[in-house]
Amino acid sequence: EAQVTQNPRYLITVTGKKLTVTCSQNMNHEYMSWYRQDPGLGLRQIYYSMNVEVTDKGDVPEGYKVSRKEKRNFPLILESPSPNQTSLYFCASSLGLAPETQYFGPGTRLLVL
Amino acid sequence: DQQVKQNSPSLSVQEGRISILNCDYTNSMFDYFLWYKKYPAEGPTFLISISSIKDKNEDGRFTVFLNKSAKHLSLHIVPSQPGDSAVYFCAASAGTSYDKVIFGPGTSLSVIP
Repeated sequence: EAQVTQNPRYLITVTGKKLTVTCSQNMNHEYMSWYRQDPGLGLRQIYYSMNVEVTDKGDVPEGYKVSRKEKRNFPLILESPSPNQTSLYFCASSLGLAPETQYFGPGTRLLVL
Repeated sequence: DQQVKQNSPSLSVQEGRISILNCDYTNSMFDYFLWYKKYPAEGPTFLISISSIKDKNEDGRFTVFLNKSAKHLSLHIVPSQPGDSAVYFCAASAGTSYDKVIFGPGTSLSVIP
């Protein structure tokens, strides 16, 4: 089954404690992205990657890092989480650039205390 | 300032009636528009799109209308079904690349049996 998986699905942490949210896709897609969804703001792109070792900043990259060492994985790293990073995070992948072809993961709900 | 606005956070409709979800945008460079549907605990999924060269696009029970002069688009669902209950995101982009898409805040639709 074609899918994008994210782990963990729920996470409560404290300010400053480094964390990683993993994202993996089994469709051999070139393109992957991370988004955050906040009430009243919709989804905003954090980072995206168009191929292995190629990453670019989205609209809200501050406080986040990513890496793309393998095609299937695109982890999101919060080196020093802060309460304003409390959000719902989605990973997505697509074969091409067309937004209609994006598969979104189920989301990771993060609470930073 | 939000470039894509959905001024109704929620909407309730009786089963079998028409659901109309509205979206306004401010950036005149946007030329491609999309609607996504999101169920709880799942990622968004693409529903329907429209290019600025058209004013209507239809896919089964779903129709999107675009009024470029008013910078307004709407999604019509006819007839509405309980399974349509979800959050609907309007999105817009200048071009058809996923990294350029700007999402609205979403409208939660409840279809009452």
